Amino acid sequence: AQKVTQAQTEISVVEKEDVTLDCVYETRDTTYYLFWYKQPPSGELVFLIRRNSFDEQNEISGRYSWNFQKSTSSFNFTITASQVVDSAVYFCALSEAYNTDKLIFGTGTRLQVFP
Amino acid sequence: EAQVTQNPRYLITVTGKKLTVTCSQNMNHEYMSWYRQDPGLGLRQIYYSMNVEVTDKGDVPEGYKVSRKEKRNFPLILESPSPNQTSLYFCASGLNSNQPQHFGDGTRLSIL
Repeated sequence: AQKVTQAQTEISVVEKEDVTLDCVYETRDTTYYLFWYKQPPSGELVFLIRRNSFDEQNEISGRYSWNFQKSTSSFNFTITASQVVDSAVYFCALSEAYNTDKLIFGTGTRLQVFP
Repeated sequence: EAQVTQNPRYLITVTGKKLTVTCSQNMNHEYMSWYRQDPGLGLRQIYYSMNVEVTDKGDVPEGYKVSRKEKRNFPLILESPSPNQTSLYFCASGLNSNQPQHFGDGTRLSIL
């Protein structure tokens, strides 16, 4: 069965610190997709990244980077030099290519960046 | 502008009074879904639809109904709402479940 675990409920950092948000997933499918979404205080959900199970290359986009490791079933998200605008709830999500058409989210990590 | 539109944004109602939350998308997406967001529980999928007339249960379907008569619309129906359905609801659409989803702005329901 699909499962996504975000063990960190809440993280607080001071501006300019680096922070890593953890995501661990479970799936029986050999082909699957992982996502990160951001929910700022205004409430909308914003797509950040999608990664398929065959692409283990790390991705960097500005201050954001993602580390996908199939060996540990993890898809962690790092923000470098955090800023107050990064304060949000971040969700990791998983979809399977063949077993089901469900999209499963983790419980989210609330990141607070203080000035 | 590509968007997913939910209505109403806020609703306070009473137990047992049927209500419908509408969802419409203008991107010709085949996949649509409903989620509820509760503190500590994240986003949980209620129902999803792969295409017109094709719907299936997510992880928390009890107490909800959906329909998909047209590609663009995917209403969420609470036939007899109860207080435990008080939540923040999101509608989303995408090409399929493996592609990024576009979310509506959310509907905050309070069932008294």
